[in-house]
Amino acid sequence: GAVVSQHPSRVICKSGTSVKIECRSLDFQATTMFWYRQFPKKSLMLMATSNEGSKATYEQGVEKDKFLINHASLTLSTLTVTSAHPEDSSFYICSANFGSYTEAFFGQGTRLTVV
Amino acid sequence: AQKITQTQPGMFVQEKEAVTLDCTYDTSDQSYGLFWYKQPSSGEMIFLIYQGSYDEQNATEGRYSLNFQKARKSANLVISASQLGDSAMYFCAMRERKQGGKLIFGQGTELSVKP
Repeated sequence: GAVVSQHPSRVICKSGTSVKIECRSLDFQATTMFWYRQFPKKSLMLMATSNEGSKATYEQGVEKDKFLINHASLTLSTLTVTSAHPEDSSFYICSANFGSYTEAFFGQGTRLTVV
Repeated sequence: AQKITQTQPGMFVQEKEAVTLDCTYDTSDQSYGLFWYKQPSSGEMIFLIYQGSYDEQNATEGRYSLNFQKARKSANLVISASQLGDSAMYFCAMRERKQGGKLIFGQGTELSVKP
């Protein structure tokens, strides 16, 4: 079946540095990828929609300069948390569509800790 | 306004018994899909079941069934013969055709299966 691979699964970074998270679709070309953020015991909140070859669409309240999204190819989208601060610590997870309306494939998620 | 509502923050069920997790939704779109996901402590999102707004039959997948009541805008998940491994967070999500492929999630229900 279709697989979405997200890397890294865990990352610890120092405050003020940037960290990049990759989301790859392994078995299909993903026209659209989505980035979500999740706090412990809370729901997944959509951050942005990433379309191949165009600028990402950010949800209201999400800082586009803080969370840079690049979807350079049909199989790769990246989320870069710039100038990370402890409040950016969270679980980030991506999902990908390849056109089917009845399915959504998720990556394994990335647990980011900013110290 | 909350589009997906899960009113049960936590649920307990005895092993081998059935349990119903509630989900109500709000949409003006005629074409939409409803999903249920299981999220264990590892964080991965495991797809359980899908129901399309035009599907006349309730969806079933093994021990999972979706009690779809369109007029009431509810899409409850029924897990039969609960197993200890069913203990996890469960999320209901909706995808509206007019909103593209993004999923909007409910608050989640933490299910604990007791031996």
